[in-house]
Formats: sequence, structure tokens, C-alpha cells
Amino acid sequence: AQSVTQLDSQVPVFEEAPVELRCNYSSSVSVYLFWYVQYPNQGLQLLLKYLSGSTLVKGINGFEAEFNKSQTSFHLRKPSVHISDTAEYFCAVTGTDSWGKLQFGAGTQVVVTP
Amino acid sequence: ETGVTQSPTHLIKTRGQQVTLRCSSQSGHNTVSWYQQALGQGPQFIFQYYREEENGRGNFPPRFSGLQFPNYSSELNVNALELDDSALYLCASSLGQGSTTEAFFGQGTRLTVV
Repeated sequence: AQSVTQLDSQVPVFEEAPVELRCNYSSSVSVYLFWYVQYPNQGLQLLLKYLSGSTLVKGINGFEAEFNKSQTSFHLRKPSVHISDTAEYFCAVTGTDSWGKLQFGAGTQVVVTP
Repeated sequence: ETGVTQSPTHLIKTRGQQVTLRCSSQSGHNTVSWYQQALGQGPQFIFQYYREEENGRGNFPPRFSGLQFPNYSSELNVNALELDDSALYLCASSLGQGSTTEAFFGQGTRLTVV
């Protein structure tokens, strides 16, 4: 079984400032890792995913994340945020033997202000 | 915008009633997963269907049941509704069994139990 902890429930940030959202996971098997974004009253959109290979993963909208196996972390970063990045962000994990059965964290609300 | 559609978008039910939610999967996808997202929380995995068979279940009671049809669309049924069943219900479609292609989420069905 897998579990995910998102360390910040809310992150306020000024427009054009950098942001980092922290995610730690636990698993007894190898994992795949994901970050999703959810805008109000909408479903989930995939930002990026780590399956294997390079530990630095680049996604859509200028986001990137780094997989750190020794620290069991998968933190999400963006060097310069826009107002439109205001949303809820979810880190998710699935075991390599259980594709599609995602375990999500509780979410991090990012609020970007001018 | 994904090809996953859910219906209805909103509904209100009374405690003790039964409800059926529907999900039309993305063309070519043979796997549907259902999630429950309570207010302010991350999505929780309910169950997954692969080629019309249940393929894994989360920690939900038997009154949550599902079905997948030959065209890979799916239904989620909840019997004996409780107030705590109020949530956003999300379905995600993907290619299962050895594929690591992206899972696409629908916009969700907002269920309110009164």
C-alpha cells in the first residue's frame, strides 16, 4: 500500500515569485508519482508524472518536480507564478503493480496575489 | 478538455435513497477508476473496472458498487445513502494492464445528501 503526505495545506505567493509544493510518500513497492491541478468546480488535470529515468520531470504550464528516492519526496516547483496558477494541487502515487489506482494527498491550495 | 464525461453534474438525494452515477470513458480506454472527493480533501480511490471486471477496491463499504459495460462506460451505484456520502465523485479512464499512459478525469458529479 502507498500513502502521500502534502506538507502544506495552503501556500500564499505573490505573482512572479517562485513556489514549491512539498510532497512525501511511503510505499513498500516501487512507485509512479504524479501532480494534478484542480480548478474550482472542475476535475483533475495532470501537470506531470514520474515513471522512471531522469529524476527531474518537466510538466505543463512551466511546472517541474524532482523525484528523490532516498528522501521519498516529489516536490513541485515553478520559478514564476501567475494569477492563473491559483488552484488546488494534489500529489498522487501508485504502485508499479497497481496502475491507475491512485492514492492522493490532501491537497495544497495555492493562492497567487498581485 | 478530456473525452471523459460524467452525468449528472449535480444532484441532491435524501438519506437512505439510492443513486447511480455515470461515466463515459475516453475513446480507446478500457479501464475506469472511481474516486470520492469530500470537501477540502483529496480524492479517495473507490474501485477500478478493467474490461468489465472489478480490478481492485479501496476502503469503501459494499453499498458502493459498480458496473462496466462492453463499451467501457461505467456506473457507480450507492445504496442507503448517508450524509457523509456528500462529495464530488470523479471517474478516470485509462489503458490498464501494463500501460502507463495518462489517466484522464471527468469533471465530476457533485452529490449532496440531505
